Amino acid sequence: GIQVEQSPPDLILQEGANSTLRCNFSDSVNNLQWFHQNPWGQLINLFYIPSGTKQNGRLSATTVATERYSLLYISSSQTTDSGVYFCAVEPSGTYKYIFGTGTRLKVLA
Amino acid sequence: EAQVTQNPRYLITVTGKKLTVTCSQNMNHEYMSWYRQDPGLGLRQIYYSMNVEVTDKGDVPEGYKVSRKEKRNFPLILESPSPNQTSLYFCASSQKPYRDRAWGNQPQHFGDGTRLSIL
Repeated sequence: GIQVEQSPPDLILQEGANSTLRCNFSDSVNNLQWFHQNPWGQLINLFYIPSGTKQNGRLSATTVATERYSLLYISSSQTTDSGVYFCAVEPSGTYKYIFGTGTRLKVLA
Repeated sequence: EAQVTQNPRYLITVTGKKLTVTCSQNMNHEYMSWYRQDPGLGLRQIYYSMNVEVTDKGDVPEGYKVSRKEKRNFPLILESPSPNQTSLYFCASSQKPYRDRAWGNQPQHFGDGTRLSIL
């Protein structure tokens, strides 16, 4: 089945720094989403981005479906950005969702 | 308020005692799904449902059952729970996946999670 790998697994930033999180997938997908799991365990949808680029405030995401990767950019990071970031894909030809193992981000004040 | 509601939020129980985790959504979504989250393994899909009376297995369905008798509800049933089913469980819903729609976004909306401990 499809493999979904995220990098880096862990990231520590000083408040105000920028970062790029990566999601690689091994096969074609119909759907890709980025989520943030906050320290209370809630999963927050950030982007639905099967292809192209989107921006929402300090966050933006780019998916290059033909090259099978997606990037999540966080600019001017804040302590509230801490948590785990997941990408999830819907492989082509299925209605399943496969999650990556996540990037754990800690932003220090 | 649009939401996915799971109950209970926390449950400690014993091996073999049947339990049901309920999930309800108020967004008229066709697609609903259950996931479990374990340390180091991320989230893995247990079952999903495309619509009423239509369910299918995800990647880790063993030991679980689901039903979809109404559009808004998608309960997860553990007939004979075992300690390896101790986990954090999430329910999610969305409009039908992307390729069934010609417009718009179909993000998944998640419940707040149910932490199950099976002794």
